[in-house]
Amino acid sequence: AQSVTQPDIHITVSEGASLELRCNYSYGATPYLFWYVQSPGQGLQLLLKYFSGDTLVQGIKGFEAEFKRSQSSFNLRKPSVHWSDAAEYFCAVGASGSARQLTFGSGTQLTVLP
Amino acid sequence: EAGVAQSPRYKIIEKRQSVAFWCNPISGHATLYWYQQILGQGPKLLIQFQNNGVVDDSQLPKDRFSAERLKGVDSTLKIQPAKLEDSAVYLCASISRDRDNEQFFGPGTRLTVL
Repeated sequence: AQSVTQPDIHITVSEGASLELRCNYSYGATPYLFWYVQSPGQGLQLLLKYFSGDTLVQGIKGFEAEFKRSQSSFNLRKPSVHWSDAAEYFCAVGASGSARQLTFGSGTQLTVLP
Repeated sequence: EAGVAQSPRYKIIEKRQSVAFWCNPISGHATLYWYQQILGQGPKLLIQFQNNGVVDDSQLPKDRFSAERLKGVDSTLKIQPAKLEDSAVYLCASISRDRDNEQFFGPGTRLTVL
């Protein structure tokens, strides 16, 4: 069975600083990987996804993530964080190489200092 | 296009009472999911529908939870009787047959069981 680990429960960065959120997955085949963001009282919004091909994927809101098979990682990055990026971020892996069943990590709460 | 709609947004009940949540997916989306998100955790899949049929309900506590999608459009999730540990946000998501790469999430229903 697949699993996702987000080792950082809470991260605090200053506005304008760079950001990296870690995600490690466990899956026997080629994974489908996702990053979602959840603002308070909101549902999850997809930031980006990796299915195949270029291991560096670009998403919305200036986010990118890099798939590293050797490290079983899919870390999310942003070069300059904005105050509006404060939210909870979830990494997810698709079962059976699809998006039809997702297993989520426990999330990383991001706080942005002015 | 309109997003996934859920109601109510908030519900407070006492243990052993019953409660129902409603979800209307994006028009034309054949697959619908219910997730349970406990505070501090990522969403956990409860049940997956394809049209009006159940694809996977292996993680649904069937002694107290039930769900239906009678006409293959909107869906209802019910808990009877509720326990304290059912306090969570219940998220509904849908995915289209054609866009097999993104689950669209509703805003969720926050349930508090006292």
